Amino acid sequence: EDQVTQSPEALRLQEGESSSLNCSYTVSGLRGLFWYRQDPGKGPEFLFTLYSAGEEKEKERLKATLTKKESFLHITAPKPEDSATYLCAVQAGRYSGGGADGLTFGKGTHLIIQP
Amino acid sequence: EPEVTQTPSHQVTQMGQEVILRCVPISNHLYFYWYRQILGQKVEFLVSFYNNEISEKSEIFDDQFSVERPDGSNFTLKIRSTKLEDSAMYFCASNEQGRNQPQHFGDGTRLSIL
Repeated sequence: EDQVTQSPEALRLQEGESSSLNCSYTVSGLRGLFWYRQDPGKGPEFLFTLYSAGEEKEKERLKATLTKKESFLHITAPKPEDSATYLCAVQAGRYSGGGADGLTFGKGTHLIIQP
Repeated sequence: EPEVTQTPSHQVTQMGQEVILRCVPISNHLYFYWYRQILGQKVEFLVSFYNNEISEKSEIFDDQFSVERPDGSNFTLKIRSTKLEDSAMYFCASNEQGRNQPQHFGDGTRLSIL
């Protein structure tokens, strides 16, 4: 069974204080690891896809990295508008004739950036 | 930027009643998904749909659930006889090429069963 564990569950930072969020996964043949941001009352908003160990993606203050067992979302000099829940999800290499594979999500990290 | 739209934003229904949740995926997307999120819990996969048939479904997606693409733009989730435990946010998602591609989510329908 595919499993995704995110830590910490919640994180409170001061504006400008950099940190990292962790996503550990167990999956039978990783097809892709996805990071999403979710604001209260909204749907997940896509941030990054990572496909293989060693891969890195960057967008503004966010950088995602991937190893064979975990992914990190690094937040550099965060601002209050970065406050959200960050979700990690994996797509496994199950055979699916149609190719429409569901994602397995972690519980997320609730990030608060204080001014 | 094109987006996935879901209606209604909030649905209140009596237990035992049928409910239909509606989604309009992004126009050039071919793969469609439903997920649910019970308050305080993780987002859970329900079902995926491609080429007018179910591609994959989870254990949650039992005989009470069905999906349909009634026309060229809508994608619906029907719950036949709702239970209290069906109360959740239901998210629709879509993508263009299926596997390996990011799925783009709507803002959800909050379903409250009384």
